[in-house]
Amino acid sequence: RKEVEQDPGPFNVPEGATVAFNCTYSNSASQSFFWYRQDCRKEPKLLMSVYSSGNEDGRFTAQLNRASQYISLLIRDSKLSDSATYLCVVTASSNSGYALNFGKGTSLLVTP
Amino acid sequence: NAGVTQTPKFRILKIGQSMTLQCTQDMNHNYMYWYRQDPGMGLKLIYYSVGAGITDKGEVPNGYNVSRSTTEDFPLRLELAAPSQTSVYFCASSYDGLSVTGELFFGEGSRLTVL
Repeated sequence: RKEVEQDPGPFNVPEGATVAFNCTYSNSASQSFFWYRQDCRKEPKLLMSVYSSGNEDGRFTAQLNRASQYISLLIRDSKLSDSATYLCVVTASSNSGYALNFGKGTSLLVTP
Repeated sequence: NAGVTQTPKFRILKIGQSMTLQCTQDMNHNYMYWYRQDPGMGLKLIYYSVGAGITDKGEVPNGYNVSRSTTEDFPLRLELAAPSQTSVYFCASSYDGLSVTGELFFGEGSRLTVL
């Protein structure tokens, strides 16, 4: 089983729609969770951290379910500019602290 | 704000050639990383460094070498390039060891093709 798994999509949604992505992770000892956004042919950038109690940043809501080992990202009122690939990221312990395990990403296309 | 700067942005190599991807950051971050991203795949960690003079292998280090003589610079060396090394390479840095903020600052990437 891969460490971080995501549905690759693509998710095609109209502007204004609500869309949700899920991600599962295999290492129950993982402690920190994040969503990154990657635009086409660009570098990834941190979108938001995912906290145990769930957290919201404007139109974006992230949830964590430790028992089932999954993370979700909800985008409300989708904008054309939300079109990108969303990477689920989970920390993994390493010799010198932590490293990040990246999922393959879920592609979102928001259409007019 | 330069952030993380990588060069070159594009390069085509012949099998067996060698080259160095340069990476420099001006944020005084101790932690630096090299990732590769193949089409439709997640980022894979090649090497990382927790400070000047200290480097360690990541998930896919074979065929690569790194050095960290200064806080700012973290070059990645490809020896005897192979087609399997065709990829997009990202250099990144972070303020901490990622356990808290999880924020990596990435360079714009270097697209390498080995023919």
